[in-house]
Amino acid sequence: GAGVSQSPSNKVTEKGKDVELRCDPISGHTALYWYRQRLGQGLEFLIYFQGNSAPDKSGLPSDRFSAERTGESVSTLTIQRTQQEDSAVYLCASSLQAGGRRNEQFFGPGTRLTVL
Amino acid sequence: QQPVQSPQAVILREGEDAVINCSSSKALYSVHWYRQKHGEAPVFLMILLKGGEQKGHEKISASFNEKKQQSSLYLTASQLSYSGTYFCGTEIAGGGADGLTFGKGTHLIIQP
Repeated sequence: GAGVSQSPSNKVTEKGKDVELRCDPISGHTALYWYRQRLGQGLEFLIYFQGNSAPDKSGLPSDRFSAERTGESVSTLTIQRTQQEDSAVYLCASSLQAGGRRNEQFFGPGTRLTVL
Repeated sequence: QQPVQSPQAVILREGEDAVINCSSSKALYSVHWYRQKHGEAPVFLMILLKGGEQKGHEKISASFNEKKQQSSLYLTASQLSYSGTYFCGTEIAGGGADGLTFGKGTHLIIQP
């Protein structure tokens, strides 16, 4: 079956513009995660969805970042008024379920965001 | 709080063994291990849960010391394909963020 897909694969934008990053999780996976990975760094947790709700938004770095998930499938991460420090690879992952028992997370290929 | 991984980097000859460590200052519920090759997405290796349960790939072995909040990943008879950056992700016991908190990674280079 298909894995996690993300689009676009690369995005170059100008400082101050808004961007939307999309994630299509594996079908049937109820848990969806967004991470940020700066060059040469580890994975920074941003937000987690269980179904369509986001019980944990604690990782979002500022109020310029928001995310939503519809239909227990596609998720969109929106960054408003982008800054150069937002440049990174944004990774999406999904898993069968979360809460109480942790399952392996399947990662998408990521979106490389460059803010000029 | 971000777990600490050691070493930061290691270079091996093919066939040699390596141990990668991950430690946390918080009581952990689980430790996850992933490997990421350059320009690719992280790939799952293993989950170790509090209480001793493990699940992962057969050729990978790891340990989880619950008292010390430490996990170690054992790579034996390394192959060229083992090269990459290894990340541990931790989940704190008692709730909290449901995303994993990852360490900074250990870079592993296998030379022929």
